[in-house]
Amino acid sequence: KNEVEQSPQNLTAQEGEFITINCSYSVGISALHWLQQHPGGGIVSLFMLSSGKKKHGRLIATINIQEKHSSLHITASHPRDSAVYICAVDGPETSGSRLTFGEGTQLTVNP
Amino acid sequence: GAGVSQSPRYKVAKRGQDVALRCDPISGHVSLFWYQQALGQGPEFLTYFQNEAQLDKSGLPSDRFFAERPEGSVSTLKIQRTQQEDSAVYLCASSFSTGANYGYTFGSGTRLTVV
Repeated sequence: KNEVEQSPQNLTAQEGEFITINCSYSVGISALHWLQQHPGGGIVSLFMLSSGKKKHGRLIATINIQEKHSSLHITASHPRDSAVYICAVDGPETSGSRLTFGEGTQLTVNP
Repeated sequence: GAGVSQSPRYKVAKRGQDVALRCDPISGHVSLFWYQQALGQGPEFLTYFQNEAQLDKSGLPSDRFFAERPEGSVSTLKIQRTQQEDSAVYLCASSFSTGANYGYTFGSGTRLTVV
């Protein structure tokens, strides 16, 4: 079993829909990261969370430390949101000083 | 520069050829990481530097993989005698410090295709 599990693997939505991507992890962590990766390969950091909730524009990220679960929400989705969204976790119980990644969720938003 | 710079962006290598991938982190960032991302998968850890010291190389898949950061800034990932299974995107990330509190900045990656 992977230390970080994401669901769904693939998600197709219509423009304007509310989107939720889930992430569960099995180890103690210092922080959880939500990342966005476009087809060119580069990764952009969206959020770093250790508790509670963060909001940036149409993106909201929440984390429940007790349940070892996080969600990324996109409100009023737009085709430009189409990308792979990756959850990653960081220390203290991950293997060494590095991020452990989920496999990503491929989001496609159709106009 | 303002971000993490990786070069080349794309590299096609013939099987058996040696390649060198470069990462130029954000100035002053202590920590530098290399990750390998196979098609359709999440990135997997390769190696970690704190300044010039390679503190963890447990993710390097074989002794054909070698990484260095001799002056604590630019890092090079070298792959000798490339094999088809080495085809992947190689990502570099840097962080201001060693802890999890500062976040990470990623480069755009080098897409390596071994033919």
